[in-house]
Amino acid sequence: DAMVIQNPRYQVTQFGKPVTLSCSQTLNHNVMYWYQQKSSQAPKLLFHYYDKDFNNEADTPDNFQSRRPNTSFCFLDIRSPGLGDAAMYLCATSRVQGEGEKLFFGSGTQLSVL
Amino acid sequence: GENVEQHPSTLSVQEGDSAVIKCTYSDSASNYFPWYKQELGKRPQLIIDIRSNVGEKKDQRIAVTLNKTAKHFSLHITETQPEDSAVYFCAAPWRGYGGSQGNLIFGKGTKLSVKP
Repeated sequence: DAMVIQNPRYQVTQFGKPVTLSCSQTLNHNVMYWYQQKSSQAPKLLFHYYDKDFNNEADTPDNFQSRRPNTSFCFLDIRSPGLGDAAMYLCATSRVQGEGEKLFFGSGTQLSVL
Repeated sequence: GENVEQHPSTLSVQEGDSAVIKCTYSDSASNYFPWYKQELGKRPQLIIDIRSNVGEKKDQRIAVTLNKTAKHFSLHITETQPEDSAVYFCAAPWRGYGGSQGNLIFGKGTKLSVKP
């Protein structure tokens, strides 16, 4: 009965080779988020979708892109992964956007860059 | 924008003792403060949250207190057990301009170890 599902659990890519991480949700939530969490650090918001509206954080590198083809799915594309992009990538959802809305996280995808 | 500071970064306690983790925030207009627990290799999970209209909230062995004047909030775990060992993150809403308003900004986390 997983509600926010991320695949794969572990992803290995080569330096500079594009990679896509996927997230799906069964909660029918309007908002989907992508967070980057490096070892022993806090999750850092990369961007989020409110329905089809895309919102990029000011300091998110251009190397990161996202797609949300429908309510249930959201993808994170890393166009040219560098060694510094190795991290846990967490997808999260919330019913709507706003203060006080609870986040529901997926189990994450651990990305390694060789 | 919001700045969230969390202390300590690591905390080790004996089973049965209490643990306290503190966070400060910068935006006095913030009204919602959640705490997430992340076990090794697992997803962050919400364990308790508090809104600014109350000063304290309890849920069994876990409590959160909020001091709006001082802009800090704390997580209290009593009668700690080994299964409480995890990384705990506090968070506060970002209240800057643009589409990110309301999105959570996380503290850097506290690694709690409960020794049996």
